[in-house]
Amino acid sequence: KQEVTQIPAALSVPEGENLVLNCSFTDSAIYNLQWFRQDPGKGLTSLLLIQSSQREQTSGRLNASLDKSSGRSTLYIAASQPGDSATYLCAVLYNTDKLIFGTGTRLQVFP
Amino acid sequence: DAGVIQSPRHEVTEMGQEVTLRCKPISGHNSLFWYRQTMMRGLELLIYFNNNVPIDDSGMPEDRFSAKMPNASFSTLKIQPSEPRDSAVYLCASRLALGGGRDTQYFGPGTRLTVL
Repeated sequence: KQEVTQIPAALSVPEGENLVLNCSFTDSAIYNLQWFRQDPGKGLTSLLLIQSSQREQTSGRLNASLDKSSGRSTLYIAASQPGDSATYLCAVLYNTDKLIFGTGTRLQVFP
Repeated sequence: DAGVIQSPRHEVTEMGQEVTLRCKPISGHNSLFWYRQTMMRGLELLIYFNNNVPIDDSGMPEDRFSAKMPNASFSTLKIQPSEPRDSAVYLCASRLALGGGRDTQYFGPGTRLTVL
């Protein structure tokens, strides 16, 4: 069964800290992996997309890495800000065209 | 671009009533996805369409759920009759897939459904 797990489920940090969110998946035959952000009462916003042939992607203060062989991805957020507070979702795309989502990490960055 | 538009944003109904959720994808996108999000089960794909044709509806929970896409700019998800366990946030997403590419999906704000 294709499953995606995210750790931790919740995280609260002071502003300015660098932090790492973890995602693991059971089936390594992925097409790509995405990190999304979800704000309360809103839809999902795509942050980074890593193709299966890539090892990492960067956008501003965000860096996502992918290790297919071990079934893991990490999202690194540098110099966190209160505006980064949201739920972060990892999603894996398999060749069936289905995105399998993790349960998310709820992040709170306090001033 | 206005993004993916969903209506209504909130729906409260009584058990047994018919509920219709609506989605307008981003203009020019050729794939549309319906998801359900709950605290217990997270985000689950219900059904998706390519070029208005349903491709995979294996995630539709029961015959009470049906989805249609009569044209490239509109889709509906209908629940009849509704039950309290259908209470969830229903998200619609669209994507432009070219030549088999798996590009990112763009999500709407969702419809929060409460069935009493």
